Amino acid sequence: GAVVSQHPSWVICKSGTSVKIECRSLDFQATTMFWYRQFPKQSLMLMATSNEGSKATYEQGVEKDKFLINHASLTLSTLTVTSAHPEDSSFYICSAREMSGGFGYTFGSGTRLTVV
Amino acid sequence: SQELEQSPQSLIVQEGKNLTINCTSSKTLYGLYWYKQKYGEGLIFLMMLQKGGEEKSHEKITAKLDEKKQQSSLHITASQPSHAGIYLCGADITGANSKLTFGKGITLSVRP
Repeated sequence: GAVVSQHPSWVICKSGTSVKIECRSLDFQATTMFWYRQFPKQSLMLMATSNEGSKATYEQGVEKDKFLINHASLTLSTLTVTSAHPEDSSFYICSAREMSGGFGYTFGSGTRLTVV
Repeated sequence: SQELEQSPQSLIVQEGKNLTINCTSSKTLYGLYWYKQKYGEGLIFLMMLQKGGEEKSHEKITAKLDEKKQQSSLHITASQPSHAGIYLCGADITGANSKLTFGKGITLSVRP
């Protein structure tokens, strides 16, 4: 079945530094990848949708310059949290949809970001 | 306001008991997905429903989408400790199949 690998699974960084999170589709090509943020006991909040080779589409209220998304290939999307602050601490999770046009959304295992 | 409402918020059942959880929307659910999540981990796909009245089963889990396509239920028969976790419903509520909107999830605990 479809597998999405997300790395790292957890990261601790200092305030003011940047952190990059990778999302890879291992056995399929993903035209579209999605980045979510999840707070404890809250739903997944969609941050942005990235399409291979084009600019990401950000949801309302999400800062484009703070959460940089790059989808350079059909198997890789990255999320960079720039100038991280403690309020950026959260669980980030990516999802990928197959190029074939199927309706399935496969999720990565998530990244726990802690900014100290 | 939450576009997808899940109920109950949490549930504790005795092993072997049946249970039902719900996902309700004020908008049409063009594609409804059920996922299971362990805290701090990724989402495991359970089932996807598209057609009004559709019902799917996998092992001891059955999911239904009502005729109006605004509510889905997930039923677990003879629950086991392995069923414990967070159950999330996600749906395409735009019809464009461009993204999923999620409910807050239901935390299920199963007592041995």
